[in-house]
Amino acid sequence: SQQGEEDPQALSIQEGENATMNCSYKTSINNLQWYRQNSGRGLVHLILIRSNEREKHSGRLRVTLDTSKKSSSLLITASRAADTASYFCATDAYNQGGKLIFGQGTELSVKP
Amino acid sequence: GAVVSQHPSWVICKSGTSVKIECRSLDFQATTMFWYRQFPKQSLMLMATSNEGSKATYEQGVEKDKFLINHASLTLSTLTVTSAHPEDSSFYICSARSDYGYTFGSGTRLTVV
Repeated sequence: SQQGEEDPQALSIQEGENATMNCSYKTSINNLQWYRQNSGRGLVHLILIRSNEREKHSGRLRVTLDTSKKSSSLLITASRAADTASYFCATDAYNQGGKLIFGQGTELSVKP
Repeated sequence: GAVVSQHPSWVICKSGTSVKIECRSLDFQATTMFWYRQFPKQSLMLMATSNEGSKATYEQGVEKDKFLINHASLTLSTLTVTSAHPEDSSFYICSARSDYGYTFGSGTRLTVV
């Protein structure tokens, strides 16, 4: 079952601009994770934010989590053409046996 | 860090045949592995949770007789697509949970002709 919904579904920006992707989910979570996937390839883990955290940074990535609104956002600053990929949020929910449920994803295109 | 090896990376098979996909945890023991399916331009859909030494737990709508999962050891889980048909063509990805978090295989592109 899918839990997360992401918007936008597709985002096209110029190199150097910031990209913001949003994710909403439905149940209580242990943590929320963001992944990147290049076309036809496996997943790369980007960042994990726990339910008791509100913001986390990693390099050019900034993730926020609002458990009251059941939503998260991923911000990529100073985007590069190499950031072109699909980005997914995934939730590790309570009482779900440790399985990750993925959002619909955002397809990001960064034009040089 | 934890590494999960998935093979084959791609396979083409004839309709009606069966295909086995392997997922191995290389440097850690995985009591639980997860199998996902991904259609083009779509997200990952969880198919089943594979538990070492016991039966897999399938998500609603996933045919357990169609997608056979075996987790006979702490480092190997296999997914067999039985009597494959063109509509089974998809990208299949496994994942294992370790002390480092979730690690994903590189995926298997299955094309049924």
